[in-house]
Amino acid sequence: QQQVKQSPQSLIVQKGGISIINCAYENTAFDYFPWYQQFPGKGPALLIAIRPDVSEKKEGRFTISFNKSAKQFSLHIMDSQPGDSATYFCAGLIIQGAQKLVFGQGTRLTINP
Amino acid sequence: GAVVSQHPSRVICKSGTSVKIECRSLDFQATTMFWYRQFPKKSLMLMATSNEGSKATYEQGVEKDKFLINHASLTLSTLTVTSAHPEDSSFYICSARERGLLRFYEQFFGPGTRLTVL
Repeated sequence: QQQVKQSPQSLIVQKGGISIINCAYENTAFDYFPWYQQFPGKGPALLIAIRPDVSEKKEGRFTISFNKSAKQFSLHIMDSQPGDSATYFCAGLIIQGAQKLVFGQGTRLTINP
Repeated sequence: GAVVSQHPSRVICKSGTSVKIECRSLDFQATTMFWYRQFPKKSLMLMATSNEGSKATYEQGVEKDKFLINHASLTLSTLTVTSAHPEDSSFYICSARERGLLRFYEQFFGPGTRLTVL
């Protein structure tokens, strides 16, 4: 019940295209859903996050779409750039309590120039 | 703001030795710090949660006596890998949660430490 399932495992997108990464969760107690970006040999960095009371959040080229009834959320990267090539992780968290992040499996995104 | 550092960034040691990794919150006080382990091309695996001044809480399957965690102050947590063996080789990452922050549940990650045990 704690799992967050992420797909695809890897993704190749042409420069300027839209990158879409999907996540599904099981635990309805999750109330915070962040996305992290990780470059090789570096720690993850918070990219964007959403609470389940909104269906969409946009920050620059990055948008989270959230479907509470389906228990799914996705990251859209518009106008994808080679510099966006990285591994992306979605996660779920219960704000009260232990506040442990439950990570998805990760998506390795490659943007071809 | 919200910068977390780790030291060292890379360490190579001989089998049987102990290695200490430091995690510091540079510009904030951290109520809680988390230690993760990451294998190549894999997701982050939570090892333990530590609160300042109290014993760490370890995840199931993580050996407490092998991975010693000390959260001595609001800005410093250390992970000591005792009697390291080649199977302990991995990328270790810490994260910290800021005390008193409105979004207190956000975690800020360090840059990671690459441990190689020969």
